[in-house]
Amino acid sequence: QVQLQESGPGLVKPSETLSLTCTVSGGSISPYCWSWIRQPPGKGLEWIGYICYSGGTNYNPSLKSRVTTSLDTSKNQFSLKMSSVTAADTAVYYCARGGGDVPNFDYWGQGTLVTVSS
Amino acid sequence: EIVLTQSPNTLSLSPGERATLSCRASQRVTSGYLAWYQQKPGQAPRLLIYGASSRATAIPDRFSGSGSGTDFTLTIGTLEPEDFAVYYCQHYGSSPLFTFGPGTKVDIK
Repeated sequence: QVQLQESGPGLVKPSETLSLTCTVSGGSISPYCWSWIRQPPGKGLEWIGYICYSGGTNYNPSLKSRVTTSLDTSKNQFSLKMSSVTAADTAVYYCARGGGDVPNFDYWGQGTLVTVSS
Repeated sequence: EIVLTQSPNTLSLSPGERATLSCRASQRVTSGYLAWYQQKPGQAPRLLIYGASSRATAIPDRFSGSGSGTDFTLTIGTLEPEDFAVYYCQHYGSSPLFTFGPGTKVDIK
């Protein structure tokens, strides 16, 4: 059974960079694509972007200028960095399997709350 | 950009009743690229339906999806206590590549 677990700081200061890592267990990162999705408290879901084992990426145009993703196949992990954060970036961040040619998300992490505050 | 609208916002029903949830797209979409998720409080979403009508792994057959073009429906045949949750539809293929509807909350009447 594939499991995903997000990790990273729960508090980030405004204007700084949010960094999260997702560790995949029970399966390989290859040959899939892996996404980040967020959910502000009490609100709906927003797709941030994905990175594929092949190295391909795709980002939400509304966030593209601030987002980068990377993959560490030796650790079966993938990561998200979002720069210049504001209070509007406060959300539960989920990692999930899906993207590329896969049009949905079949495995999700439990989510991690990131609060942007000084 | 394709915008997904879900109705109703909230559906108040009793266990044992049938639930019908609607997802409408602002433009015609490919059925193969429409999915439904269930989210319970404090939990991650769970994939229920993909390709508009195919049940995901281990999803009970009381959940069914249908529709085409711009109008899609998620039906829960007989509500069980564990089905009270928020349901999201999701589309793949426009810009942004993935979009979600605002959700329908199914709560206990």
